[in-house]
Amino acid sequence: GAVVSQHPSWVICKSGTSVKIECRSLDFQATTMFWYRQFPKQSLMLMATSNEGSKATYEQGVEKDKFLINHASLTLSTLTVTSAHPEDSSFYICSANQGTANLQFFGPGTRLTVL
Amino acid sequence: KQEVTQIPAALSVPEGENLVLNCSFTDSAIYNLQWFRQDPGKGLTSLLLIQSSQREQTSGRLNASLDKSSGRSTLYIAASQPGDSATYLCAVKRDTGTASKLTFGTGTRLQVTL
Repeated sequence: GAVVSQHPSWVICKSGTSVKIECRSLDFQATTMFWYRQFPKQSLMLMATSNEGSKATYEQGVEKDKFLINHASLTLSTLTVTSAHPEDSSFYICSANQGTANLQFFGPGTRLTVL
Repeated sequence: KQEVTQIPAALSVPEGENLVLNCSFTDSAIYNLQWFRQDPGKGLTSLLLIQSSQREQTSGRLNASLDKSSGRSTLYIAASQPGDSATYLCAVKRDTGTASKLTFGTGTRLQVTL
């Protein structure tokens, strides 16, 4: 149980385009999901907290207009990187909070490369 | 602001050795601490979770301890194997809320050689 999936697992796009990444909790409902970014050989940095049915809460320094988060259902949150640039290339990982255990379960990550 | 540091940043040991990974955090007001494993290009796998009221947790060859007052945790790996090679991350959670954030450490890259 408590499986989180991400799609796609990797994506390559041209500079200036937008890319959408999906995060799904497969066997539980998650009112809260989290989006992290991880640069090579670095740790996970929290970008934003995604709340079902309300606006996401962004960490300081994260542009909310560039990283659009939608959490329209209890099993799906999406992160859209708008007008992507090469510096947005990174590994994006989501997690979903499993309520009864109050634990975060992590997705497998999405590797984004912007050319 | 909570800061989590892990030492060493990288470690290479021969197979069979016992080893200790260290994690320190600046704010002792935590709800729990978790150790994760991350293989290259992959997501995170939870290894052990220690609640703030606990001193240690064990799972197989892994033992994690927590000294909240001093802001330290250690992950002990017994009889290391090449399959243990990965990056190990510790993370602390501030409180019980479902929106409570995890603050991750800087990670330790472990390589176990034959």
